This record gives sequence, structure tokens and C-alpha cells, in this order.
Amino acid sequence: QKEVEQDPGPLSVPEGAIVSLNCTYSNSAFQYFMWYRQYSRKGPELLMYTYSSGNKEDGRFTAQVDKSSKYISLFIRDSQPSDSATYLCATLSNDYKLSFGAGTTVTVRA
Amino acid sequence: NAGVTQTPKFRILKIGQSMTLQCTQDMNHNYMYWYRQDPGMGLKLIYYSVGAGITDKGEVPNGYNVSRSTTEDFPLRLELAAPSQTSVYFCASSSRGRVPYEQYFGPGTRLTVT
Repeated sequence: QKEVEQDPGPLSVPEGAIVSLNCTYSNSAFQYFMWYRQYSRKGPELLMYTYSSGNKEDGRFTAQVDKSSKYISLFIRDSQPSDSATYLCATLSNDYKLSFGAGTTVTVRA
Repeated sequence: NAGVTQTPKFRILKIGQSMTLQCTQDMNHNYMYWYRQDPGMGLKLIYYSVGAGITDKGEVPNGYNVSRSTTEDFPLRLELAAPSQTSVYFCASSSRGRVPYEQYFGPGTRLTVT
């Protein structure tokens, strides 16, 4: 069983729509959950992280973790064409290694 | 700061050839990592290092070797290249002092083995 499962999409939405991205993870010991954003032909960059369960908001982006169901979510409000990228969820293990999901490619149409 | 730099950006290898992918970071980070990224497969960890002189295998180490003689450099060696090693390779680094160990990635090396 993969440690992190993510639907690779792709996902195409009109500008201004809400984008909803989801992952599931298998190891209940994970405490840190990240979302990385990767533009085409670039390296990933950390977008947001959360610790344990709950929500975290940063501008138009909201990250949620539900540890009871081992579910990670990222929401993008008022999506813009500049949000078009691949979004990768990741979990941090106790030995400081990241396990990544497959990544979901999002296209926001102007 | 240049961050994490990788060379070369692109490379085409013939089957059986060898090469070294270079990675350098100027952030004085303890931890360094090598990943490969195949389409639709996310990032898979090849090798990682927690400091100079210390390396360990990740999820997919076969066909690769690493060394870490300095804090700054973490080269990845491919011996006897095979078509299955066609991929995009990313180097990353992170710091013990920064929670939660945010990893900074280089721009990647696109490798084709034919």
C-alpha cells in the first residue's frame, strides 16, 4: 500500500472556480502534512503545511487534515490562471523523509 | 543565495554509459535528497544524506550511488545507464533547525537513456 494516495487528475476549471484537491495517507503516526506546488519544468515549492488535524488558511488557499479518516485536502478559492500547476501532497515521517502523492495537474481556464 | 543548483539541465545517455548528476546548495543545510519524478508517479526518493559523510538509501536506490564529502555537494552517480532510468531528477535540501523541515528543490535534470 502506498503511503500517500492522490488522484493524478488532470483537473480543468474556469477562472474564479473553487479547486478541491484530496489525498489519503496510510500511516497514522504522520503529524506533518504538506502541499507542494510545481510549475511546468520547475522544481516543487512548498505551498502550505499543517501539523496534526485542523485547518490552515493562507490567502486564497486552505489546507485541511482529518486524522480520523487520514484525509488531506487543499482548497483554492477564486482560482486564477497563475494557479495552473501540479499540486503534490506529502507527509513527513519521523526520520524526516517526505512521502509524496502522485500529484494533481490543475489547469485554470481564463 | 542561489539555493539548490543542479547540472546538467538535460542529458541524453546511451545504454551502459555512466554519468554524475551534480547538486550544490548554499544554505548550509544538513539534509540533502535525490528524487526521481516519472509522469503521474510523484516523487520517489533515491538516496538521502543527514550530513557530510552520511548517506542512506531511499525507496528506489538500485542503479545509483551517492557520496557526501562536503555540506554543500551531493552528487548522484548513475552506473551502466538503463532505459528505466529515463526520468527527471531533483535534488533537494532542508535544515534541522527549520520545522517542519521544508525541502528546497533544485530545477531538475532531464535524463533520457536510449
